[in-house]
Amino acid sequence: KAGVTQTPRYLIKTRGQQVTLSCSPISGHRSVSWYQQTPGQGLQFLFEYFSETQRNKGNFPGRFSGRQFSNSRSEMNVSTLELGDSALYLCASQLAETAPYGYTFGSGTRLTVV
Amino acid sequence: AQSVTQLDSQVPVFEEAPVELRCNYSSSVSVYLFWYVQYPNQGLQLLLKYLSGSTLVKGINGFEAEFNKSQTSFHLRKPSVHISDTAEYFCAVSDDAGGTSYGKLTFGQGTILTVHP
Repeated sequence: KAGVTQTPRYLIKTRGQQVTLSCSPISGHRSVSWYQQTPGQGLQFLFEYFSETQRNKGNFPGRFSGRQFSNSRSEMNVSTLELGDSALYLCASQLAETAPYGYTFGSGTRLTVV
Repeated sequence: AQSVTQLDSQVPVFEEAPVELRCNYSSSVSVYLFWYVQYPNQGLQLLLKYLSGSTLVKGINGFEAEFNKSQTSFHLRKPSVHISDTAEYFCAVSDDAGGTSYGKLTFGQGTILTVHP
C-alpha cells in the first residue's frame, strides 16, 4: 500500500514568488492535513480538508491556501513568499471522518525562500 | 486550548540503556495521544497512539507509553535503546470535540534522543 506522497521533495524560490505543493494521500483516505515545520516554531497546523471542503484552519495569513480534489489529492499554495516561509511542509492523511485513528505523514517538501 | 509540553529538549543515553521521554498535555476535553518519530530529512512516523482502553500502549520498535489521566501525562519508554533510535520524538494530542479539532494535531516541541555507543 503506497504511503502519502508529497512532491516535490525540495524547492528553492525567490522572495515574492508563489509556490504550489502537492500531496497524494493513502488510497481511501479522504482527510488531508497540512503542517509547517520550522526550527523556531516547531510543527504548526495549517489546514485540513475532507471531501473537497476545508473543515479547519490554523493561524496563518491568507497567503497560505489549499484545496482538495475529488480524488482526495490536495495542494497548498503560498503566494508572495517571504523568507520566513522557508520550512518543511508536511502533509498527513487519515481514513476516519472524525476520530483521529491515525495520521500518516508524507516525507515533506523542503521549501527554501531566498 | 490544547497544549503539549515535552519536558526535555535533548536526552543523551548509552546504547542498551533504558530511556523515558516525558510528555504532559493540557486539554479541557477527552483527548487522543500520539508519539511520532522523525529521522533527519524525513517526515513523521507514528510510533504509537492512545485512543481509549488500556492505559499502557505498545508501539513499534519496542516502544511503549502510559497514559495517566490524573497527571495528564503520556510518557514514552523503551527498556533498551539502539543506535538506530537516535532521532527526534514528538508527542501530539488531538481532542474529540469535532469542529475546530478536525484534522488537527497539537505537537510538543520535540525531544532529540541521542544514543551513544
